[in-house]
Amino acid sequence: DAGVIQSPRHEVTEMGQEVTLRCKPISGHNSLFWYRQTMMRGLELLIYFNNNVPIDDSGMPEDRFSAKMPNASFSTLKIQPSEPRDSAVYFCASSSSGALAGGYTFGSGTRLTVV
Amino acid sequence: TQLLEQSPQFLSIQEGENLTVYCNSSSVFSSLQWYRQEPGEGPVLLVTVVTGGEVKKLKRLTFQFGDARKDSSLHITAAQPGDTGLYLCAGALNSGYALNFGKGTSLLVTP
Repeated sequence: DAGVIQSPRHEVTEMGQEVTLRCKPISGHNSLFWYRQTMMRGLELLIYFNNNVPIDDSGMPEDRFSAKMPNASFSTLKIQPSEPRDSAVYFCASSSSGALAGGYTFGSGTRLTVV
Repeated sequence: TQLLEQSPQFLSIQEGENLTVYCNSSSVFSSLQWYRQEPGEGPVLLVTVVTGGEVKKLKRLTFQFGDARKDSSLHITAAQPGDTGLYLCAGALNSGYALNFGKGTSLLVTP
């Protein structure tokens, strides 16, 4: 298995532009998570899906952030409009049977820089 | 407010030394996991502990879950440069919740 695949690896964009981050989870995993990592705040959960349905989006910073999971093999995280404070590394992770199972498998992340 | 507090934040030691890092909370967790993250990559799972008082060993790494399931420790014996990385603890409040992560302990082992 190729693991969790995220694209792009790096994204540099200007303030006000729309940014779309993509994730392909491991086949057969039924839970998908989006996290954001910064030095100041560490890894923060943004949203997670179970069987393609959003379960908890309380970590989404504000209405500028939205996430979708149209099918079991694809998810997107969109920021519109982007702001410099959104600069961070965004990780997608997937798992089977929730947190008590074999842990989360993380992608390599997307490093977002908003200038 | 951070649900899981990790200490120390940074640790720099020489090859061959032993070390312990800590993960503490005022909340009770149904399970706790430790991950290691290397620069430019996502965290990778090392171990899951579920039972209070549980001890697990992974080669030179020893993980312990507190009796009250509120804290955990990771002990590394005879550290090697390959152990360098960010060690993250993560807890699940119950099976229906996603993992909460601590900010991590950044470990540097020099030859």
